[in-house]
Amino acid sequence: KQEVTQIPAALSVPEGENLVLNCSFTDSAIYNLQWFRQDPGKGLTSLLLIQSSQREQTSGRLNASLDKSSGRSTLYIAASQPGDSATYLCAVPTGDSGYALNFGKGTSLLVTP
Amino acid sequence: EADIYQTPRYLVIGTGKKITLECSQTMGHDKMYWYQQDPGMELHLIHYSYGVNSTEKGDLSSESTVSRIRTEHFPLTLESARPSHTSQYLCASSDEGPVGIQYFGAGTRLSVL
Repeated sequence: KQEVTQIPAALSVPEGENLVLNCSFTDSAIYNLQWFRQDPGKGLTSLLLIQSSQREQTSGRLNASLDKSSGRSTLYIAASQPGDSATYLCAVPTGDSGYALNFGKGTSLLVTP
Repeated sequence: EADIYQTPRYLVIGTGKKITLECSQTMGHDKMYWYQQDPGMELHLIHYSYGVNSTEKGDLSSESTVSRIRTEHFPLTLESARPSHTSQYLCASSDEGPVGIQYFGAGTRLSVL
């Protein structure tokens, strides 16, 4: 069964810093990898989706990379802002279950002013 | 912007009550999912559907049931709620098989007293 791990579990940084969130997965035969943001008590907002054939995707200050062979993905956040404070989740589709997602436990990010 | 809606957003009920959590999407997606998330924990799949009249159980055992009579509607029902059902329930939908983005609703936070 695919297992997804996210490190660190929590991160606190001052405003303006660049930061990297890590995601690893045990089965490299993935279709894609998706990064989400979750605010407290809310649903998930999709940030970036990287297809298995891609190495990275960018959206604004966010850049996600994918290395299938090593089972790793990183989410890079440039020039962090207090509004970036949230939990960040990575997920990969299962091979069955209608391609439902296997999630990591997330990284809880706090950006202080 | 994802067009997937969940109601109610919050629900507090007594033990033994029957409840239905609503989920609707206007994107015409065939695949829909229900995930359960306890505080600080990862999301777990409890039900999914490939399309109308298709429903399957997910990895996490759940006493809930679902139905899919219309493409846009995927309600979840608990016949007799118990305190162990207290959790957040998240609905999602997806297009394009394994390579599509999965979109999430805002979630229903259920408390059973």
